[in-house]
Amino acid sequence: GQQVMQIPQYQHVQEGEDFTTYCNSSTTLSNIQWYKQRPGGHPVFLIQLVKSGEVKKQKRLTFQFGEAKKNSSLHITATQTTDVGTYFCAGGADGLTFGKGTHLIIQP
Amino acid sequence: ETGVTQTPRHLVMGMTNKKSLKCEQHLGHNAMYWYKQSAKKPLELMFVYSLEERVENNSVPSRFSPECPNSSHLFLHLHTLQPEDSALYLCASSQDWSVNQPQHFGDGTRLSIL
Repeated sequence: GQQVMQIPQYQHVQEGEDFTTYCNSSTTLSNIQWYKQRPGGHPVFLIQLVKSGEVKKQKRLTFQFGEAKKNSSLHITATQTTDVGTYFCAGGADGLTFGKGTHLIIQP
Repeated sequence: ETGVTQTPRHLVMGMTNKKSLKCEQHLGHNAMYWYKQSAKKPLELMFVYSLEERVENNSVPSRFSPECPNSSHLFLHLHTLQPEDSALYLCASSQDWSVNQPQHFGDGTRLSIL
């Protein structure tokens, strides 16, 4: 079946450092979505990428969709304590499959 | 205000109890979902309803029984659960049952099985 793999599982950074999480699929995806889940909270939709090679930005967050539509990345520039949480990618062809998520831990 | 409301927020039950989780969405969406979230595991899709019809059931044990009386409400009926069923149960909705639609999640029900 369809698998969406996400690395790393955990990432510790100092506040102000950059952070990147990567998402890879075993199959071609029709789209990729990114969600953020704060500690004790629920996943919140951040963005969706649909086109091959697409790049979208939200303030300090940059999202990329690979040319082959099998991988994606989320990059945060100059992390802040409010960025703490778990970032999930989710993609699919005939159904949405979530990755395991990357837990971002920020040390002040 | 998430637009998707789940009750109760916390539930502790014994293995022989019967209880129900409730989800209500105020977004006018046509699709609703139940997910299970355990530590160290990805979000596991359990059930999908589109226009009140079940469209997906991912090999979920029969001790979990969903019900969708209308497009705004979704229930998960629980009976004779096992300790490994302790988890966060999340409800979500989307405009349509399509991989291109973002999903809106509720706050979840934290379930503990004694």
